[in-house]
Parts: sequence; C-alpha cells; structure tokens
Amino acid sequence: GAVVSQHPSWVICKSGTSVKIECRSLDFQATTMFWYRQFPKQSLMLMATSNEGSKATYEQGVEKDKFLINHASLTLSTLTVTSAHPEDSSFYICSAETGGAGAQETQYFGPGTRLLVL
Amino acid sequence: GESVGLHLPTLSVQEGDNSIINCAYSNSASDYFIWYKQESGKGPQFIIDIRSNMDKRQGQRVTVLLNKTVKHLSLQIAATQPGDSAVYFCAETGTASKLTFGTGTRLQVTL
Repeated sequence: GAVVSQHPSWVICKSGTSVKIECRSLDFQATTMFWYRQFPKQSLMLMATSNEGSKATYEQGVEKDKFLINHASLTLSTLTVTSAHPEDSSFYICSAETGGAGAQETQYFGPGTRLLVL
Repeated sequence: GESVGLHLPTLSVQEGDNSIINCAYSNSASDYFIWYKQESGKGPQFIIDIRSNMDKRQGQRVTVLLNKTVKHLSLQIAATQPGDSAVYFCAETGTASKLTFGTGTRLQVTL
C-alpha cells in the first residue's frame, strides 16, 4: 500500500517551454501532497504544499507563478514548470500524506521526475 | 533556523556487519522522525519512523533510536547487505506536516 506514482519519469525540453509533471496516489486518497526539488548530491528541498481544492502554499524563495501547482482531486496533483530555463533542470519529487484522524501522517514519495532543460 | 543534520556524509561497511547512521536535529519541538532510503535516480523510500514519546523502535533488520536529551537520532541496520547501499536521510516534523530533511549519508557496502 501507499504507492505514489509520477509521470513522466524524465523529460527533456527546450528553454522557454512549459512542462507538466503529474503525481498520483494509487491506493489511497491524499488530502495533502508535497513537491520537492533535489539537485545532485543534495538533500530534498520542499517547494510547496499542495492541498486538494485550495491554493498551494509555497516555500520562501519559490516563485508561485513559475511553478504552478494544481491539486484537483484527492489522488492527483500536478506541477507545471512554466517558461523553463536550464537552471530549472533538477529532480522533482512529490509525496503524498497518508493517515487520518488520530493517526500520524506519513509521507510516501513518488519515484521522481528528472527534468533537463536545454 | 531549525535544521536537521548528519554527522557522517559517507559510511563504508562490510557485508554482514551492522551499520549505524547518525542524525542530529535542532528543533526541540519536533515530535515525529522518519528515516528514508534513496537509491540513485529514485524517490525516497520509507524505512522506519518513531514518535517523540518513544526512544526505540524496531523493524525488520532496522532499529531507530531517539535520544531527545541530546537531540540525536540513529538508524541501525543489522547484517548489512549490498542492497542496502544508498543514501539515507533522516527527516523530522513538528506540529505542521512539513518534513525537514537532513543532508544525507551515503552507505557503501563492500563485499
């Protein structure tokens, strides 16, 4: 249980184009999903918290107009990198939160999406 | 600001030996801690968690120890296997759901 998928697993795009990454919780409903970015040999950095049916909460320094997040259902959140540039090349990872009332919520992570902007 | 860090960036152990990966955290309000394993090119994989009202928790071949007095967390892997080679991250969270990750320790298992 608690499987999270991401699509695509890798993408190469030209500078200036937009890229959409999907994150799905396959066997549970996730009210909250999170988007992280990870540069080589570094730790995961939280970009934003995505709540179903409401606006995402972005971490300091993350441009909300550049990284558009949509959490349209309890099993799907999308991250769109708009007008991508080479410096946006990174490994993007989502997570989804399980648990319910009275339970400690654990984040389970997707397999990641590697983005390369040329 | 608050942070979670690791003492050793790389740990090399022989197959069959026990591994101990350490983590220091600075947020005294943290009440939930998780260890994740990340293999190259993959997302983090949940290993084991522990709440602040416990000081030890065991799983299959893994044990997490929590010392709140010195804000220290450790992951012990028994009989380390080549498949255990990966980067291990500790993460903590407090009243909010946001996880703060440590810098990571690379575990290398030698034959």
